[in-house]
Amino acid sequence: KQEVTQIPAALSVPEGENLVLNCSFTDSAIYNLQWFRQDPGKGLTSLLLIQSSQREQTSGRLNASLDKSSGRSTLYIAASQPGDSATYLCAVYFSWGKLQFGAGTQVVVTP
Amino acid sequence: ETGVTQTPRHLVMGMTNKKSLKCEQHLGHNAMYWYKQSAKKPLELMFVYSLEERVENNSVPSRFSPECPNSSHLFLHLHTLQPEDSALYLCASSQDLWQGASLETQYFGPGTRLLVL
Repeated sequence: KQEVTQIPAALSVPEGENLVLNCSFTDSAIYNLQWFRQDPGKGLTSLLLIQSSQREQTSGRLNASLDKSSGRSTLYIAASQPGDSATYLCAVYFSWGKLQFGAGTQVVVTP
Repeated sequence: ETGVTQTPRHLVMGMTNKKSLKCEQHLGHNAMYWYKQSAKKPLELMFVYSLEERVENNSVPSRFSPECPNSSHLFLHLHTLQPEDSALYLCASSQDLWQGASLETQYFGPGTRLLVL
C-alpha cells in the first residue's frame, strides 16, 4: 500500500526566507509525482508535476526534486512572500487513475 | 464558466436528509473523480468515472451514490449521512484516465464544504 508523508505538518517563516517542504512515499514504484497548492476553503492548484524519469522541475521561484530510490521529493520556494501562505500537498501517481496524497504542509509567511 | 465548478459551495444537512452535490467540467475531459478531504487527513479517492462509466469505487459506504449522466457532469447523491461524513468534497477531471507514461494531470474544483448535523 502506498503511503505519502509530508513533514513538517506546519511551517511559519518570515518573508524573504526560502521554504523547504518534504514529501516521502513508501513504494518507490511510482510514475509521476505532483505538488499542489490549496488555499483555505478552495480546491487544489497544480504547481509542478515531475515524471518518474526526471529528477527535478522548475517554475519561477519553485523547484521540486524527486529521488525515487529513496522515496523522497522536496519542494523549494525561494524568497517566500505572504502570498505563498497556503497548504502544500504532495501526491504520487502509482497506478492508473490513482493519486495518493499526503496530508499537506500548512505554510504561513509573515510580513 | 471555465475549469471545474462545484455546487453548492457549502451545505448543511441533517442525518435524515437527502441532498446532491454537483460537479461540472468545461474542459472537454473524459475522466472525472470524487475525493473526500477531512480535517488534517490526506485526500481520499472515492469514485472514478471514465467516459461515464464507473471504474473505481474505493470501498465507499452506500450512503454515497455517484452519478455521471455525461462526460461533463458528475453528481454525488447523499442520504442518511453521519456526522463523520462532514468534510470538503472535491471533484476533479482529467483528459483521460491516467495511463502509465501519460502526463495527465487532474484539475480540481473548489469543493463543497459539507456539515452533517
